Amino acid sequence: DIQMTQSPSSLSASVGDRVIITCRASRSISTYLHWYQQQPGKAPKLLIYAASSLQSGVPSRFSGSGSGTDFTLSISSLQPEDFATYYCQQTYSSPQTFGQGTKVEIK
Amino acid sequence: QVQLVQSGAEVKKPGSSVKVSCKASGGSFSNYVITWVRQAPGQGLEWMGGIIADLGTGNYAQKLQGRVTISTDESTSTAYMELSSLRVEDTAVYYCAREKIGRLHGMDVWGQGTTVTVSS
Repeated sequence: DIQMTQSPSSLSASVGDRVIITCRASRSISTYLHWYQQQPGKAPKLLIYAASSLQSGVPSRFSGSGSGTDFTLSISSLQPEDFATYYCQQTYSSPQTFGQGTKVEIK
Repeated sequence: QVQLVQSGAEVKKPGSSVKVSCKASGGSFSNYVITWVRQAPGQGLEWMGGIIADLGTGNYAQKLQGRVTISTDESTSTAYMELSSLRVEDTAVYYCAREKIGRLHGMDVWGQGTTVTVSS
């Protein structure tokens, strides 16, 4: 199975900060990498697909980059509604696997 | 805009089975994979498996092989996930989601989640 490792596991940031979350795959997954945001008690929401494509309706402050084994999710200017847990997911090979999550908290 | 509406919460005994439904409202499953993901309390997301709705071909996580069955009923635009031989550690919120065939699109529509509690 491909292991997905996110860092950090949690971070504290202020409104307006730039936030970067990284995701590393245990082997190359090309760009079969997606990012989700999950608010407490809610279903995950797709933010970025294919490593860098912004899902329709998602604010442009979210962006993704990377290919192969190293990926990043960036939030250019953190907003109050962005405090949540973020997950990366690979769909390169079965079983699909998720990172362990990064919790973004208010500083 | 399609919505996925899941069945209600379930409480089950260890060793029993549960079947959770996921109905597409405002659309169909054609050209999509219906995937099931679960989340144990306080934990991350775990992919359980998926089915190509047009083909009825299922693909399951190895750790659940033999206990999980995913199916679809195109006449009612409903997908099902059945988990048998339930264990306490199967207690989780179960989500259905759709992804376009091709694996490069991510899961863009999710159900609201169904809480399954396994307890003696």
